[in-house]
Amino acid sequence: AQSVTQLGSHVSVSEGALVLLRCNYSSSVPPYLFWYVQYPNQGLQLLLKYTTGATLVKGINGFEAEFKKSETSFHLTKPSAHMSDAAEYFCAVSDQGSNYKLTFGKGTLLTVNP
Amino acid sequence: DADVTQTPRNRITKTGKRIMLECSQTKGHDRMYWYRQDPGLGLRLIYYSFDVKDINKGEISDGYSVSRQAQAKFSLSLESAIPNQTALYFCATSVDSQLKTQYFGPGTRLLVL
Repeated sequence: AQSVTQLGSHVSVSEGALVLLRCNYSSSVPPYLFWYVQYPNQGLQLLLKYTTGATLVKGINGFEAEFKKSETSFHLTKPSAHMSDAAEYFCAVSDQGSNYKLTFGKGTLLTVNP
Repeated sequence: DADVTQTPRNRITKTGKRIMLECSQTKGHDRMYWYRQDPGLGLRLIYYSFDVKDINKGEISDGYSVSRQAQAKFSLSLESAIPNQTALYFCATSVDSQLKTQYFGPGTRLLVL
């Protein structure tokens, strides 16, 4: 079974600092990878996804993630944090077969300090 | 207007009561899902449906049932609610052409006393 590990349940950064949220997965085949963001009292919103092709994926709000097969990682980064980035972030994985289920990590709560 | 809607948004009920959470979508997607979210546990899949006649159990289906009344509607029922079913419940949809991207509703916050 697939699994997703998000290192750090809570990450705190200062406004303007680099944001790095870590995600590692276990999959026997090349997966599809996703990052979702959940703002307070809202549902999950797709931030970005990797399916095939270029391994550096750009998403909304200045976020990007890089798929590294050798490290089974898909870390999320943003060069300069903004107060509005404070939210919970979820990494998810799905294999490329006919199974359309997503397996989610446990989430990382990002706090941005002024 | 929201593409995926959930009703109610908040619900308080008592142990042993039967409740139903409803999900509707206007996205035209054929696949629909129910998840529950608990603090520190992420999202866990309860049930999923690939079309009206195809319903499947997820990883935590015990204590829950579902009904796919139409392509656009997918309901989750708790036949006899218990306190450890207190959680945030999300409905999601997807379609084959968008490579497994799931689109989420706003969630239903359920408290079982």
